Amino acid sequence: AQSVTQPDIHITVSEGASLELRCNYSYGATPYLFWYVQSPGQGLQLLLKYFSGDTLVQGIKGFEAEFKRSQSSFNLRKPSVHWSDAAEYFCAVGFTGGGNKLTFGTGTQLKVEL
Amino acid sequence: SAVISQKPSRDICQRGTSLTIQCQVDSQVTMMFWYRQQPGQSLTLIATANQGSEATYESGFVIDKFPISRPNLTFSTLTVSNMSPEDSSIYLCSVDDSTDTQYFGPGTRLTVL
Repeated sequence: AQSVTQPDIHITVSEGASLELRCNYSYGATPYLFWYVQSPGQGLQLLLKYFSGDTLVQGIKGFEAEFKRSQSSFNLRKPSVHWSDAAEYFCAVGFTGGGNKLTFGTGTQLKVEL
Repeated sequence: SAVISQKPSRDICQRGTSLTIQCQVDSQVTMMFWYRQQPGQSLTLIATANQGSEATYESGFVIDKFPISRPNLTFSTLTVSNMSPEDSSIYLCSVDDSTDTQYFGPGTRLTVL
């Protein structure tokens, strides 16, 4: 069965600093990969997704992620963090023939210091 | 992307009672899903709600505890039955827009006393 690991439970960055959130997955073939963001008391918002093609994908709110097959990783990045980016970030994986089911990582809580 | 609404947004319920959560989508979708997010935890899939047939439940979830209805392609309900404090969670519905991408509703925050 596929699995998703987000090694960092909490991350604190200063506003304006760069950000990288790590995500590693375990699956034999190429999965579908997603990043979602959840603000306090809210549902999940899709930031970006990777299915195939260009391994660097751009998303909303200035986020990007890079798929690295050799490392089984799909790390999320942002060059300059804004205070409004403080939220919880979830990496998720799906796969062809999986009935569109998603497996989620445990999440990374991002705190932004002003 | 589809616009998804859930009712209620939050509720406080007594032990032993049941709560039905509604999920409404602004367009027809084939696949709808129900997730549970326990306090401080990630999302766990409860079931896939299929239109015209019974829901498909994940391991650890049963129909008697979480009955699901899917009467049409824009609506689904999840009932949390005979609740206990351990059922206190956020319950989220999501839809697949036929591009293998799931979009989520705002969630229902349930507290069981």
